Amino acid sequence: GESVGLHLPTLSVQEGDNSIINCAYSNSASDYFIWYKQESGKGPQFIIDIRSNMDKRQGQRVTVLLNKTVKHLSLQIAATQPGDSAVYFCAENQPYNTDKLIFGTGTRLQVFP
Amino acid sequence: KAGVTQTPRYLIKTRGQQVTLSCSPISGHRSVSWYQQTPGQGLQFLFEYFSETQRNKGNFPGRFSGRQFSNSRSEMNVSTLELGDSALYLCASSLFGQSSYNEQFFGPGTRLTVL
Repeated sequence: GESVGLHLPTLSVQEGDNSIINCAYSNSASDYFIWYKQESGKGPQFIIDIRSNMDKRQGQRVTVLLNKTVKHLSLQIAATQPGDSAVYFCAENQPYNTDKLIFGTGTRLQVFP
Repeated sequence: KAGVTQTPRYLIKTRGQQVTLSCSPISGHRSVSWYQQTPGQGLQFLFEYFSETQRNKGNFPGRFSGRQFSNSRSEMNVSTLELGDSALYLCASSLFGQSSYNEQFFGPGTRLTVL
């Protein structure tokens, strides 16, 4: 398959701390990136997106950073809350690969009180 | 505004059978994409439909097919089921398509178990 099937990495943080979730993408031609959150028993939910002509974008409590030099994407969550516990996926749009989204393997975020 | 709905939510089939899953997109959305999610392979793209036409296709065998109706509702069909087809099947809708810089909204998925 096109997404890498590996064991899901887990990030454990204490409530109130900041979380940083990382993602390495595969194609230097990718022009659009999205972070999704998936809670147990639900479909992925859009969090924030960024185009390749930007290197940072901020939302409510979340910031996405894009480093095209090393093909790296990160999601920063400020003041992490128990409701942030979920699996987080990054996705990249590869315009020259029949223009479809490729998802990363995901990172499980666990928030402890 | 109602979200993306998928039916059924759970399904149990046996090897060799065929199955049809349904997805109703958000009203006004013309694009529906289907994904397979498994613990081993993650989220993999199956196909995308836009205005009743298949616009994009992932690397799945021909046993996986789909269609979209004039009201944008979509169905996917898997014939001759195999054990490895057990997965969560997700559909997502958007206004302009999965790769058009617009948000995709996912449904809750259909959990298919093949025995």
